[in-house]
Formats: sequence, C-alpha cells, structure tokens
Amino acid sequence: AQSVSQHNHHVILSEAASLELGCNYSYGGTVNLFWYVQYPGQHLQLLLKYFSGDPLVKGIKGFEAEFIKSKFSFNLRKPSVQWSDTAEYFCAVTREGGNEKLTFGTGTRLTIIP
Amino acid sequence: NAGVTQTPKFQVLKTGQSMTLQCAQDMNHNSMYWYRQDPGMGLRLIYYSASEGTTDKGEVPNGYNVSRLNKREFSLRLESAAPSQTSVYFCASSESPRNSPLHFGNGTRLTVT
Repeated sequence: AQSVSQHNHHVILSEAASLELGCNYSYGGTVNLFWYVQYPGQHLQLLLKYFSGDPLVKGIKGFEAEFIKSKFSFNLRKPSVQWSDTAEYFCAVTREGGNEKLTFGTGTRLTIIP
Repeated sequence: NAGVTQTPKFQVLKTGQSMTLQCAQDMNHNSMYWYRQDPGMGLRLIYYSASEGTTDKGEVPNGYNVSRLNKREFSLRLESAAPSQTSVYFCASSESPRNSPLHFGNGTRLTVT
C-alpha cells in the first residue's frame, strides 16, 4: 500500500521567511499529487495539484510545489510567508490507474509569528 | 453555492448510543467519502462511494456503516458509539474516484464519553 510521509510535524516561522514543507511518498509508479490546506476551524481546501507535465506547479496564494520523481518528493514552497498562512498542510497521493483512494500524510502544522 | 454540507457540526454521545452523520453535495459529483481526522494521524478514510449505488470500505471502517441514499447524499452511521470514535469527521466529494480533487464539508466534531 502506498504511504505518504510529512516529516515536519510543526514548523514555526516569522513573517517574510521562506517556507518549504517536505512530502515523500512510497509508490514508484505514476502518481497524482495534491497539497491541501486547513485553516484554523475550517475544512480542507485544495492548494495545488500535479497530474503530469511541468513538475513545478503553482497554486493559490503564492504557493508552489515541485515534483521530483527520482526523490519521490512533492515539497511545498512559498518565498515569503504571511501570518494568514498559519494553518495545517496535508500532502496527498493517489496512484494513476490504481484502486487505492487518496492517501493523506499526517499533516504539518505551520505557525507564522507576526 | 453550498458545496458539501454536513450536519450536525457538534455532537456528544454516551458510549453505546447511536447516531447518523448526514452529508449532502450539490456539485453533481459521482464520488463521496467519509474521513476521520485525529491529531498526529492526518485524515483516514472510513468509507467511500465511488458512484451512486456503491459503497466500499476504506482504511478504518470498523464500527461504522454508510448509506449512499442518492447521488447527493452519503450518510455515516455509528451503531454503538465508543470513546475511540471521538474525532472530527469530514465528508468529501469528487467528480471521480481517482484523480479529481476532493471538496470537503466543514466537519462534525464528535465526542463520545
């Protein structure tokens, strides 16, 4: 079964700092990759997704993620974070053509200090 | 534009009580899902319905049942609640079961005492 690892459980940054959240998955075939964000007290929302093509994917609110197939990674980045980026971030993976449903990582809680 | 609507938002049950969590979507999506979210464990799939008339077990189905009432509605039932079922439950829907993004409801916070 596929698995998704987010090794950073809680990240604390100051405003304007650069952000990179790690995501690694275990399956070696063709995958579809997602990042979801959950703001405090809210439901999960799609931040960005990768199916194919350019491995550098741009999402909403200035976020981007890079798919590196050789490293089984899909790290989320933002050049300059804002206080409003405080949230929990979930990486998710599904296998192209497989029967497995979307598998979520355990999440990374991001706290931005004003 | 409601999207995915879940009821109730909060619920407290005693061990052994039963209840049904309701979920409805107005996006004409084929697939619907129930997840539970627990601290440090991310989201775990309880049951899903790839299309109207079908349901399948996810990662953690024990203690739950589901009903895909029609294309819009997908309910989750706890027949005999246990403290281990204390969690936040999210319903979600998507156009297809594989690579379509999920649209989530606002969640139900359930406490079982």
